[in-house]
Amino acid sequence: QVQLQQSGTELVKPASSVKISCKASGYTFTSNYMHWIRQQPGNGLEWIGWIYPGNGNTKYNQKFDGKATLTADKSSSTAYMQLSSLTSEDSAVYFCARGGDGLFAYWGQGTLVTVSS
Amino acid sequence: DIQMTQSPSSLPASLGDRVTITCRASQDIGNYLRWFQQKPGKSPRLMIYGATNLAAGVPSRFSGSRSGSDYSLTISSLESEDMADYYCLQSKESPFTFGSGTKLEIK
Repeated sequence: QVQLQQSGTELVKPASSVKISCKASGYTFTSNYMHWIRQQPGNGLEWIGWIYPGNGNTKYNQKFDGKATLTADKSSSTAYMQLSSLTSEDSAVYFCARGGDGLFAYWGQGTLVTVSS
Repeated sequence: DIQMTQSPSSLPASLGDRVTITCRASQDIGNYLRWFQQKPGKSPRLMIYGATNLAAGVPSRFSGSRSGSDYSLTISSLESEDMADYYCLQSKESPFTFGSGTKLEIK
């Protein structure tokens, strides 16, 4: 069965960076887009972008250009999102979700990132 | 960017009620519309895809419909497990955009 297992909670300092992961199993990792979504505390959902692990192509929401960098490791079937120059505004839960056929039918459990000094 | 205007933001309802949540798209999105349910502390769950198709495992009391640029999610007879937040999403073009959400709560 399809599973997306995300890395654990992160407590990071302002101006630093963080890299969170999403390990996929149960399907062909290289043949499906991986999307990333942000949910700030008490707020709704925002689409950050996608990566196609088969060739590394990416597409970003312009709002997250320069903030988020999406990568993928085919050998471990793991997608990554690096967030840079962190501020309190970046404190949120970040989800990965599978694209392609069954777009957003499968989600990771979410990774909480808290930015605090 | 395509704007998805979702209403209402909050919907008090009683068990057994028929409830409807609506999203209006600012541009043509065809049937590239999905509905999600999210419970506190959980990941969103896909309920409807292609505007009207029930996702796997979703109870038949849920349905989706479209009238022009207005998309609706209807629950025919509300059950306690349906109390959650609901979001629409357009996937017609990037950036994908979500509605602002509807909190369905017990009256």
